[in-house]
Amino acid sequence: QVQLVQSGAEVRKPGASMKVSCEASGYTFTSFDINWVRQAPGQGLEWMGWMNPNSGNTGYAQKFQGRVTMTRKTSISTAYMELSSLTYDDTAVYYCARGIVGASTPAFDIWGQGTMITISS
Amino acid sequence: SYELTQPPSVSVSPGQTARITCSGDVFPKQYAYWYQQKPGQAPVMVIYRDSGRPSGIPERLSGSSSGTKVTLTISGVQAEDEADYYCQSADSSGSYVVFGGGTKLTVL
Repeated sequence: QVQLVQSGAEVRKPGASMKVSCEASGYTFTSFDINWVRQAPGQGLEWMGWMNPNSGNTGYAQKFQGRVTMTRKTSISTAYMELSSLTYDDTAVYYCARGIVGASTPAFDIWGQGTMITISS
Repeated sequence: SYELTQPPSVSVSPGQTARITCSGDVFPKQYAYWYQQKPGQAPVMVIYRDSGRPSGIPERLSGSSSGTKVTLTISGVQAEDEADYYCQSADSSGSYVVFGGGTKLTVL
């Protein structure tokens, strides 16, 4: 079945970087954008940006510009999201989500299970 | 920046109708999508393009729009509907995704 499987939970120190992976299966990886959304404990959903796995083109939310990098490795149908200069405010569950093809308003039909990233000294 | 405004909480008794609103200047230029999120789980899309219902979503969930407001309606609420609900849309160019703050639906 169509699914996105993410890497496991991690603990990082302030100032460090983190990289989360998202492996797609059950569909053609290069045919759908991958987006990243995060959710701080007890808070709402926050969109971080998108990546086109075919071209590698990306678009980032202004809040994360300069600090986030989204990449992919098509041979293994895997997307990556790297966030640098981590602060305690980056403690959150990070989700990858598949974009709906052809939607005039971007939206997400398949979500990964989430990856908990904890920033702790 | 674009914002979507939802009530923080809605409470209803089983069998009643719950209505969750989402207001924003991006409507009706952009569509609204709704996601249901239960504790410890990833969000699930329950309404697409204002009023469409994905396969597998119960008919008691429906969406509507009027001007700058969209509404998720859950008829005959059941205990299993207790969850957080998020509306989602995009800016006028479709380049920037925005989520509402979320509404916690409590089934009394």
